[in-house]
Parts: sequence; C-alpha cells; structure tokens
Amino acid sequence: EAQVTQNPRYLITVTGKKLTVTCSQNMNHEYMSWYRQDPGLGLRQIYYSMNVEVTDKGDVPEGYKVSRKEKRNFPLILESPSPNQTSLYFCASSLIMGSYEQYFGPGTRLTVT
Amino acid sequence: QQQVKQSPQSLIVQKGGISIINCAYENTAFDYFPWYQQFPGKGPALLIAIRPDVSEKKEGRFTISFNKSAKQFSLHIMDSQPGDSATYFCAASLYGTTGFQKLVFGTGTRLLVSP
Repeated sequence: EAQVTQNPRYLITVTGKKLTVTCSQNMNHEYMSWYRQDPGLGLRQIYYSMNVEVTDKGDVPEGYKVSRKEKRNFPLILESPSPNQTSLYFCASSLIMGSYEQYFGPGTRLTVT
Repeated sequence: QQQVKQSPQSLIVQKGGISIINCAYENTAFDYFPWYQQFPGKGPALLIAIRPDVSEKKEGRFTISFNKSAKQFSLHIMDSQPGDSATYFCAASLYGTTGFQKLVFGTGTRLLVSP
C-alpha cells in the first residue's frame, strides 16, 4: 500500500530534551515536506526536501532541523524543544518537486511541557 | 501576499444541504488551487483542484467555483452527507524564489453535517 508513515504518533516531552520524528514514504517520491498544524493558522511549512541531500527552509523553520540521507526518509529533529513547538506535525511527499498533489502522513501530536 | 484567506472557520449544515466554503488570495502568481479534506486523526488528502483558467470544476458532489477577477474561489458540497464532516483546507500553489513549487494553505473550515 502506497503510504507516508510517521513515528511516533503521539509524544509528550519536556523542554530541552532532543527528539526526532521519523517520516518514511514508499512511493519513490522526490519531494518531501514537513508541516505543522495549529488551530486558526492552518498548515505551515517547516522544511522541505527536493531530493537526497537537498533541503531548504519553509515558512517556520526556527527550532527545527531536517536531513535527507535516503530518498524514502525525512526525519524532523527538534534539538531543544520548547512549549511553543507543541503542535500537530505532518510529513508529506509528492512525486515531483512541489506538486500541488501532496500525500500526507497520519500526523504526530507533540506536547512540550 | 502569499496568504490565502479562508472562511468560515466552522460550518454546520443539515444533511442534504449545500456546504459552501470560501477562499480569497492576493498573489496572481498562484497557478493551481487545490482543496484538501482532513478527517479527525488523519492527514489531509487532496479532494479536488482547479487551474486559474477554468471557472468551474465538478467531481461528483464537489464543485470548485473560481473567480479570477475577484481573486476568490469556493468549494461547494452538494447534498451534504454526515460522512462529509471533516476539516477542509483551501490551498494555492506557487513557484518559490528558489524555483520550486510550494503550497500555501488556508486556515481551515470545520464542517459538521447534521443527520
């Protein structure tokens, strides 16, 4: 089944404790992206990757890091999480770079206390 | 200029009624206008999309109406069903400064279709 998977689905952590949210897609898509969803703000792009070893900042990159060492994986790293990073996070992929048709993962709900 | 404004924030419609969600944009460089549907606990999924040179696109009970001169587009759900209850996001596709294409999302509309 073609899909984007994320782990973990739920995470509660404390301020400053480094964490990684994994994202993997099995569709051989070139383009991958991370979004955060907050009430009243919609979906905002954090980082995106056009291919292996090619990443760039989205609209809200502060406090986040990403890497793309393999085509299928695009982890999101929070080196020192803060409470304002409490949010619902989505990974997405698309066949070609930045296509309007993006396939989203199921989401990761992160709470930073 | 990259914003997409969406309204209403929430909407309650009776079963069989018409649900209408509106979006407006400023940037005339947007080149595609998709709508995404998100059920609770799931990621958004593409529902329907339209190009700016088309005034209307229909897929089943879902129709996008596009008004290029007014820079507005809307989603109409005919014969709304309880299974349509979800959050709907409008979006606009744009080529970014580094040559790639990105999606700008509206703030979302939570639709509840009452039985």
